[in-house]
Amino acid sequence: GAGVSQSPSNKVTEKGKDVELRCDPISGHTALYWYRQSLGQGLEFLIYFQGNSAPDKSGLPSDRFSAERTGGSVSTLTIQRTQQEDSAVYLCASSPSGTVRSGANVLTFGAGSRLTVL
Amino acid sequence: AQTVTQSQPEMSVQEAETVTLSCTYDTSESDYYLFWYKQPPSRQMILVIRQEAYKQQNATENRFSVNFQKAAKSFSLKISDSQLGDAAMYFCAYRSAPPYSGAGSYQLTFGKGTKLSVIP
Repeated sequence: GAGVSQSPSNKVTEKGKDVELRCDPISGHTALYWYRQSLGQGLEFLIYFQGNSAPDKSGLPSDRFSAERTGGSVSTLTIQRTQQEDSAVYLCASSPSGTVRSGANVLTFGAGSRLTVL
Repeated sequence: AQTVTQSQPEMSVQEAETVTLSCTYDTSESDYYLFWYKQPPSRQMILVIRQEAYKQQNATENRFSVNFQKAAKSFSLKISDSQLGDAAMYFCAYRSAPPYSGAGSYQLTFGKGTKLSVIP
């Protein structure tokens, strides 16, 4: 597609429920990132996918968070047993590659999914 | 690990005037990229300008320019002829240059942002 698409745009859930957030990157982009933006804060790195390589999960805050990327394209971020502190905007970004220098280091972001845990 | 600091939580500027947003960073690396992203209320992060550390010349994009001081680890954004549409959160970000070393080394590290208001 023309841009990075994320769904749902907004999600309200009850504490303890599981949620899934979807990211559809720009076609042909091999690198995909998930970030979390809490109110009044900058962006916190969560996870990174590059092609068929094993994802870098070093930013995931707990084992309740997981993500997968099917067929090197669409990615789903899953939060199990949601807590109120999980409330945030979850941003997805993609880029042509995470390892090539020229012109490929710019991340294009989606509009994010705002998660509210009651 | 690298850190990015934006010391101005909020700034305001009169329409048509010039404003400068500050950003400092901490790194032991010699090669890296610096970015300014804009986030309007729509939440979409939009790239404003990019600087490669090995280039001494400051990057410019129309009304946007940077003052990159590598030795001081400073990367400020200047917006000239401010427009109402410039009102947004502005984030400074750092990224290592390849080859990457270790988990997370290719990610963007963001500051906490500066909220810019433009007064008509």
